[in-house]
Amino acid sequence: EAGVAQSPRYKIIEKRQSVAFWCNPISGHATLYWYQQILGQGPKLLIQFQNNGVVDDSQLPKDRFSAERLKGVDSTLKIQPAKLEDSAVYLCASSLASGYEQYFGPGTRLTVT
Amino acid sequence: DQQVKQNSPSLSVQEGRISILNCDYTNSMFDYFLWYKKYPAEGPTFLISISSIKDKNEDGRFTVFLNKSAKHLSLHIVPSQPGDSAVYFCAAVARGSTLGRLYFGRGTQLTVWP
Repeated sequence: EAGVAQSPRYKIIEKRQSVAFWCNPISGHATLYWYQQILGQGPKLLIQFQNNGVVDDSQLPKDRFSAERLKGVDSTLKIQPAKLEDSAVYLCASSLASGYEQYFGPGTRLTVT
Repeated sequence: DQQVKQNSPSLSVQEGRISILNCDYTNSMFDYFLWYKKYPAEGPTFLISISSIKDKNEDGRFTVFLNKSAKHLSLHIVPSQPGDSAVYFCAAVARGSTLGRLYFGRGTQLTVWP
């Protein structure tokens, strides 16, 4: 069974530029999550989708971050404009249902200079 | 507000001995707990979990213990192997809530030396 796929794996941009990350979850997983992991900390949930609807985006900085999950499968996370403090690993995860074991992709390491 | 805490950032253990990783939580609504292991440049991988109706769950070399009254759980690895060297994250969720959000600790770097 294929795991969660993410791209790109690494991205370096200058502040005020925009960037987008892509995620393809495990087939059949209805719930998809985007996390931000800053160095030395645990992953922090940014947004959770159930199929293509948003369940929880309370921790998403909506002035600069946006995410969508069209057709309830793939998802993209966008940052526009980026700030220095956005430097982190962005992890995508999926699960069969909310509250159960989540399976993570390899992450995208973003560096904002 | 850190609802899940891993107070030891690192642990070093000799191969063959027991590794004990600790985790504390503050939210009494949490009813399901998970441990994830993370290697460099990879995403976290699910290791073992425990429901709040149990106090112990075992899977091979890995055992998780839950003390609800103390709001404390621990992961025991016996015997420890060099391949176990990784960052271990404790996570908790309130399955009864509609959100099902996982709350993670900061992680503990385990190093198993030969």
